[in-house]
Order: sequence, then structure tokens, then C-alpha cells
Amino acid sequence: GAVVSQHPSRVICKSGTSVKIECRSLDFQATTMFWYRQFPKQSLMLMATSNEGSKATYEQGVEKDKFLINHASLTLSTLTVTSAHPEDSSFYICSARGPSSWDRGMEPQHFGDGTRLSIL
Amino acid sequence: AQKITQTQPGMFVQEKEAVTLDCTYDTSDQSYGLFWYKQPSSGEMIFLIYQGSYDEQNATEGRYSLNFQKARKSANLVISASQLGDSAMYFCAMRPMDSNYQLIWGAGTKLIIKP
Repeated sequence: GAVVSQHPSRVICKSGTSVKIECRSLDFQATTMFWYRQFPKQSLMLMATSNEGSKATYEQGVEKDKFLINHASLTLSTLTVTSAHPEDSSFYICSARGPSSWDRGMEPQHFGDGTRLSIL
Repeated sequence: AQKITQTQPGMFVQEKEAVTLDCTYDTSDQSYGLFWYKQPSSGEMIFLIYQGSYDEQNATEGRYSLNFQKARKSANLVISASQLGDSAMYFCAMRPMDSNYQLIWGAGTKLIIKP
């Protein structure tokens, strides 16, 4: 259980293109999803927290207009990288707060497989 | 400030040996959760094990166990009988109680199992 699907797994596109990444919880409802960016050999960097039906909360330094997040349903959140440039090339990975059956709300985050984005 | 420290950037271990990955944390919260994740070279993040701050017993999941020493604020991951497939990055993370479910991440340890 608690499977998260992220699509696409890899994107290569030209500078100026907008890219949409989908994150779906397949067998549970995810009221909260998270979007991370990871540079090579580094830890995860939280970009934003997405709650179903409300606006995402972005971390300091993350451009809201560049990285559009939509969490329209309990099973789907999307990240759109608008007008992508080479500096946006990175590994993006989403996670969903697990089913709330855990002790004191400490359910783990379950991750998608990530998206490797390369902007030429 | 809330922080996770993993002091081992990389480790080499002989196959079948046990390995301990260090993790120390800093928080003033009374209630928090500690998590370990594995990230193979393919990129996915795999949840391994969880320890709650109020849990008196160390968590175990198969070959994984968590050596939780609350007074020392350490939550080391122990992998018994290591296998080649254990080669990966390992991240320790903490969830303070009042954090909108966000995790604070360590820098990670790259574990390589030698045949």
C-alpha cells in the first residue's frame, strides 16, 4: 500500500518550454503532498507543500511563478516548470503524506520515483 | 534550530557485515518522529524505518533496526548482514510535531557494499 506514481520519469526539452510533472497517490488519499528538488550528491530541498484544495506554500527562495503547483484532488498534484531554462535542470521528486493511521500523525512520506529534467 | 546531522559522507562495508549509519538531531520539541530513507542510484526514495520520540523500544524492520538514544539525540540505522543491494544513499530525517508534516533532512550517507 501507499504507492505514489510520478510521471514522467525523464524529460529533455528546449529552453523556454513549460514542463508539467504529475504526482499521484494510487491507493490512498493524500491531503498533503510535497515537492522537492535534488541536486547531484545532495540532500532533498523542499520546494513547496501542497494541500488539496488550497494554494501551495512555497519555501523561501522558490519562485511561485516559475514553479506552479496545483493540488486539485486528493490523489493528484502537479508541478509545472514554466519557461524552463538550463538552470532549472534537476531531479524533481514528489511525496505524499501517508494514510493517517499512524501513531500521533507521524505517518511517513511516500515518494514517487522522481523526474529527471534536462533543459537544453 | 532544528537540524539533522549525518557525519559520514561515505562508507565502504564488506558484504554480510553489519553496518551502522550515524544520525544525530537537534530539536527542543518533546514530540517528534525520526525516519530513515534509502535512495538507490535510480533515484526513488524508499521508506525504511520510523522511531517515535516517545517509543521506549528501538524500532526494527527486518534487517533494519534503529539504535535510538534519546539523551544523546542520536538515531543510528543498523543494517544487519549487508547485501550488495544495500548500496545506496541513506537519509535520516526528522519530523517535528508542529511542522505541517514537513521533514528536516540530513545530508545523507553513501553506502557501498563490497563483494
